Amino acid sequence: EAGVTQFPSHSVIEKGQTVTLRCDPISGHDNLYWYRRVMGKEIKFLLHFVKESKQDESGMPNNRFLAERTGGTYSTLKVQPAELEDSGVYFCASSQDEHYGYTFGSGTRLTVV
Amino acid sequence: AQSVTQLGSHVSVSEGALVLLRCNYSSSVPPYLFWYVQYPNQGLQLLLKYTSAATLVKGINGFEAEFKKSETSFHLTKPSAHMSDAAEYFCAVSRGGNNRLAFGKGNQVVVIP
Repeated sequence: EAGVTQFPSHSVIEKGQTVTLRCDPISGHDNLYWYRRVMGKEIKFLLHFVKESKQDESGMPNNRFLAERTGGTYSTLKVQPAELEDSGVYFCASSQDEHYGYTFGSGTRLTVV
Repeated sequence: AQSVTQLGSHVSVSEGALVLLRCNYSSSVPPYLFWYVQYPNQGLQLLLKYTSAATLVKGINGFEAEFKKSETSFHLTKPSAHMSDAAEYFCAVSRGGNNRLAFGKGNQVVVIP
């Protein structure tokens, strides 16, 4: 089966611009998660979708971040406007059953200059 | 809340020597525990997981981990390091039920020939 796909793999934008990250989970996985790793820090949870509903968005840093999962398939994470501290690697993961673990994508490396 | 402690951000090990990466967790409920590996320029790959079955868990690439409730630990070991084991390793905890993962800070493993 295809894995979790994220794109773009890299994005460099200027402060104040908008960036949209996309995640395609494994087909049939109802659970989709976004995580972020800022350089030198641990990987931090951002939010969790179950199908198209936000189950837990307690990790979203502020209202400049907007996540959507229309139709319960792929998800987008928009940062608008981007700030320097938003730089990092954004990971997406999906799961169907926690006993099988969470499958991660390769991540999107976002650099805000 | 769940949390993970991984000590020693950088770990050097000689080729052929034992790999030991320590992970201690804190959880208010019986935990689900995971070890992930990230090779350079790749995403997070699941090494192994504990989901309340056998306490000694075997994973891919010769790695294994033992869940010790009394010590709140889930240390990762491999009897003989190989050059290809050079990567960053992350311990993570979840309370199950498809809840979010909480990650440790990671261990960057360097294998010395």
